[in-house]
Amino acid sequence: GENVEQHPSTLSVQEGDSAVIKCTYSDSASNYFPWYKQELGKRPQLIIDIRSNVGEKKDQRIAVTLNKTAKHFSLHITETQPEDSAVYFCAAFESGAGSYQLTFGKGTKLSVIP
Amino acid sequence: NAGVTQTPKFRVLKTGQSMTLLCAQDMNHEYMYWYRQDPGMGLRLIHYSVGEGTTAKGEVPDGYNVSRLKKQNFLLGLESAAPSQTSVYFCASSMINRGLNQPQHFGDGTRLSIL
Repeated sequence: GENVEQHPSTLSVQEGDSAVIKCTYSDSASNYFPWYKQELGKRPQLIIDIRSNVGEKKDQRIAVTLNKTAKHFSLHITETQPEDSAVYFCAAFESGAGSYQLTFGKGTKLSVIP
Repeated sequence: NAGVTQTPKFRVLKTGQSMTLLCAQDMNHEYMYWYRQDPGMGLRLIHYSVGEGTTAKGEVPDGYNVSRLKKQNFLLGLESAAPSQTSVYFCASSMINRGLNQPQHFGDGTRLSIL
């Protein structure tokens, strides 16, 4: 099955700085990579996603890059704000050999210091 | 349009008791999933379903059973609760559009404590 590694586990940045979270995956058949933000006590919410036929995707201050050859993808948040403080999860979706599973990384706790 | 609704939101059980967690979605999604979330472990897939009447095992299925008798509902059962099953349980659903899997939508979670 798929294995997703996420780094770092915690990240502190000053407000206005950029934050980068990196993930690697093991199954080359994975073709969909979402990122979720989870605030304390709340549900995970999708913030951006990318498919295997695209190398980069941006949405305002958030961008995701994907390197299929190296099997890693990254989340970039620019001009961070205190409301960006949360736990972020990367995930990889595999839909081959009868499996339709989303495997999550263990999360990165981002703290944005005002 | 409520999205994904989980019932109950909180529950305390004694070891050995049984219970069923209910997940309902009103988005006509084909796929439904049950995850558990423990500190430092992220979200781990327990069981999932790709359609009415079908279920499949995920990463951590032991001690749980599921049923999907109706497309909109996905039930997670604990036959004999154990303290190791203390966790926050999330249900999610998604659809397939033009052969491409779409984002999963999560419920608010059920916080379950086993004493």
